[in-house]
Order: sequence, then C-alpha cells, then structure tokens
Amino acid sequence: NAGVTQTPKFQVLKTGQSMTLQCAQDMNHEYMSWYRQDPGMGLRLIHYSVGAGITDQGEVPNGYNVSRSTTEDFPLRLLSAAPSQTSVYFCASSYSRRGEQYFGPGTRLTVT
Amino acid sequence: LAKTTQPISMDSYEGQEVNITCSHNNIATNDYITWYQQFPSQGPRFIIQGYKTKVTNEVASLFIPADRKSSTLSLPRVSLSDTAVYYCLVGDGGSWGKFQFGAGTQVVVTP
Repeated sequence: NAGVTQTPKFQVLKTGQSMTLQCAQDMNHEYMSWYRQDPGMGLRLIHYSVGAGITDQGEVPNGYNVSRSTTEDFPLRLLSAAPSQTSVYFCASSYSRRGEQYFGPGTRLTVT
Repeated sequence: LAKTTQPISMDSYEGQEVNITCSHNNIATNDYITWYQQFPSQGPRFIIQGYKTKVTNEVASLFIPADRKSSTLSLPRVSLSDTAVYYCLVGDGGSWGKFQFGAGTQVVVTP
C-alpha cells in the first residue's frame, strides 16, 4: 500500500492564482481531512469528509473548497491564493471515528 | 471541542524515560485520547490511543486517570531518534472531524 499520497510536494503561487492540491489514499478509508500547519504551530483543520459525497468545514475553511467524488481522492482547491495561505498542507485519512489518522507527506505552498 | 494543554518543551538524555502530560479538562464522554509524533518536514505519525486506564504498545504507554481530565504519554528509554514534537489530541468519537491539535511538546533528546 502507498498509504496517503499528496501532490505536488512543493508549489509557488502568485497572489490571486488558483490551484488544486491532490490527496489520494489506497486504504479504503472513509474518513479524510485536510490540515494546514504554519511554522512553529500545530495543525489546524480546514475541511473533512466522512465518506464519498459528504464534506464539512473545519476550523479554518475560508478560501478553500473540497469535494469527495470517490473514496480514494480528496482534493483541496485554493480559489484565489493569498500570502496568508503560505503553509504546509497535510492530508490524512482514517478508518475509525476515534481519530487514528494516517498522514501524507505534505505539500509546502508559498504564495508571493 | 475539548481543548488540550501540553508543556511547550521537554529535554531528556538518552536512555531516560520521558513523560508528557496533557490536560483536557472538558473531555466528553465519547472522546478518545490520541497521541501523535511529528518529525520536521513530515506528517504526524500515530503513536497510541486510549479511552481510560492504561494502554501499552511497542513504543509507548498511555496513562489515563479515572476522571480522564489528563493523560500522560510515557516514552521508555528514549534515543536521539525520539527527538520530535508530540501532540495530544482529544477526539469526539461520536462526530468525526472535530479534532483540534494543540501546539504540541517539543522533546529534545541529547546524548
């Protein structure tokens, strides 16, 4: 199993550009989530999904959209990038409602 | 959401036991307590999870008192490779996705 994969690993955007961060898992997990981690900080939840077709907002959803058309994929869309969205983005998946999450390697995003 | 409080940092020497206590005063009945480890430039990695009393696996032990308002992660005989940030996470077993990561505890192990 590849586990949770994320692409790209690094990305530089200009203010106002849009892009999609990809996340895929091959463990047939129902639960998936997106976090951002700013330097020296903990992770903050952006959006999450409890199954295909079902998504909900986390702690910091503004400026981001998600969709979950399949169990495997959970892309995160930045609608109009801003410097405040410079961060490392982690995708995670879980088979359990209890919270044992498997994290991807992250995408380091810089917005200039 | 149950808020967690951990020490910002802890120092230890190789071979010692490290105990990190997490406070979660408003933990709910359905909440489980989960600990993660994170190395620089990597995603967090699951260490251990518990609901009450004591849980042990091959890398750590988790102690949870009867009132469940705190928990202690115990790392036995740490090595240099245990230098990392450790996060305590309290989750709502009834409604997945409502998790909050705190700032974590930076553990530094020196020779």
